[in-house]
Amino acid sequence: EVQLVESGGGLVQPGGSLRLSCAASGFTFSTYGMSWVRQAPGKGLEWVSVISGSGDSTYYADSVRGRFTISRDKSKNTLYLQMNSLRADDTAVYYCAKVMVVAASFDYWGQGTLVTVSS
Amino acid sequence: EIVLTQSPATLSVSPGERATLSCRASQSFSSNLAWYQQKPGQAPRLLIYGTSTRATGIPARFSGSGSGTEFTLTISSLQSEDFAVYYCQQYNNWPLTFGPGTKVDIK
Repeated sequence: EVQLVESGGGLVQPGGSLRLSCAASGFTFSTYGMSWVRQAPGKGLEWVSVISGSGDSTYYADSVRGRFTISRDKSKNTLYLQMNSLRADDTAVYYCAKVMVVAASFDYWGQGTLVTVSS
Repeated sequence: EIVLTQSPATLSVSPGERATLSCRASQSFSSNLAWYQQKPGQAPRLLIYGTSTRATGIPARFSGSGSGTEFTLTISSLQSEDFAVYYCQQYNNWPLTFGPGTKVDIK
């Protein structure tokens, strides 16, 4: 059974940093791309970043490029999102999601972790 | 960036009726479109990818169609568990983008 479990969310001040983690199980982690998608309170879904199975390729939304870094550790089957220079509009539930092989859509999602940026 | 527009914003439907949800793209692409369902307090669930391929375990009452700039998700006979928000997502170009969602509620 595929499981994705996010952690690391919380309250942080504007300008601060936070690192999210997503522990993956139930599939061969290094085979699949992984992504972060966020959802501001009461709003729709926003794609944030994706990383290839090997970790060699990464892509970012313009809204986070230069501030967020996606990475993965195949020895720990864990996906990360390092978030720096956080702003109020980064407040959201952050989901990690597994990318399908045949399509860059997301077939499994974690339960999400809430990040609140506020003073 | 491909901008996706979904209509209507809210669709009120009676159980057993057919629901048709629209997703319009700002530029044309072939079949790289997915649909998701999200219920309150839950993560999204993949319904359709490749415009018309149902994901694993998705009932046959869900179907997708379209090409170019016009895509459609049809729910043939709404069940109580289908009342939710539905999002389309394109993966033809970077950045990946989602539509704003259509809420399907009980009439």
